[in-house]
Amino acid sequence: DIQMTQSPASLSASLGETVTIECLASEDIYSNLAWYQQKPGKSPQLLIYDASSLQDGVPSRFSGSESGTQYSLEINSLQSEDAATYFCQQHHDYPYTFGAGTKLELK
Amino acid sequence: QVKLQQSGAELVKPGASVKLSCKTSGYTFSTSYMSWFKQIPGQSIEWIGMIYAGDGGTGYNQKFKGKATLTVDTSSSTAYMDLSSLTTEDSAVYFCARDWGVMDAWGQGASVTVSS
Repeated sequence: DIQMTQSPASLSASLGETVTIECLASEDIYSNLAWYQQKPGKSPQLLIYDASSLQDGVPSRFSGSESGTQYSLEINSLQSEDAATYFCQQHHDYPYTFGAGTKLELK
Repeated sequence: QVKLQQSGAELVKPGASVKLSCKTSGYTFSTSYMSWFKQIPGQSIEWIGMIYAGDGGTGYNQKFKGKATLTVDTSSSTAYMDLSSLTTEDSAVYFCARDWGVMDAWGQGASVTVSS
């Protein structure tokens, strides 16, 4: 199975700041990576697919990038509603696998 | 709009089985894939398996083979997941999601609690 190593496990940031979350794939996944946001008691919501494509309706302050097998999610100009847990997911091969998650807290 | 409505919370005894449903609307169910996921609160997400509604073809995570069985009813645009021989380790929230490699629409989740 492809392992997705996500970091950091948690972070705290202030409104208006920029944060970056990373996922390292254990092998080449050819940009087949998605990012999801999940709030407590809710289902995950797709933010980014194919490493850098923004899902319809998602604010442009969310962006994705890649460098080799390292994938990043950047959130600019943090808003209060961005407090959530974020997961990466590879869909290059079965079984789909997810990162462990990053819990983002707003100060 | 696309909607996936899951069945409610379940409290079941060890050794029992449970069948979860995921009723869809707002898109062409019969030509789509559906995946199911397990999440223990506070933990990450595990992919259980997927089913193609067109022909009922399935693919499972090896970890869940023998535990989960996926089916569909195209007449009602509903997907189902049977979980068998339940143990306390199966206590979790289970999600269905429309699958095109990425999951762009999710059910609200169904909590399964296994307890005597």
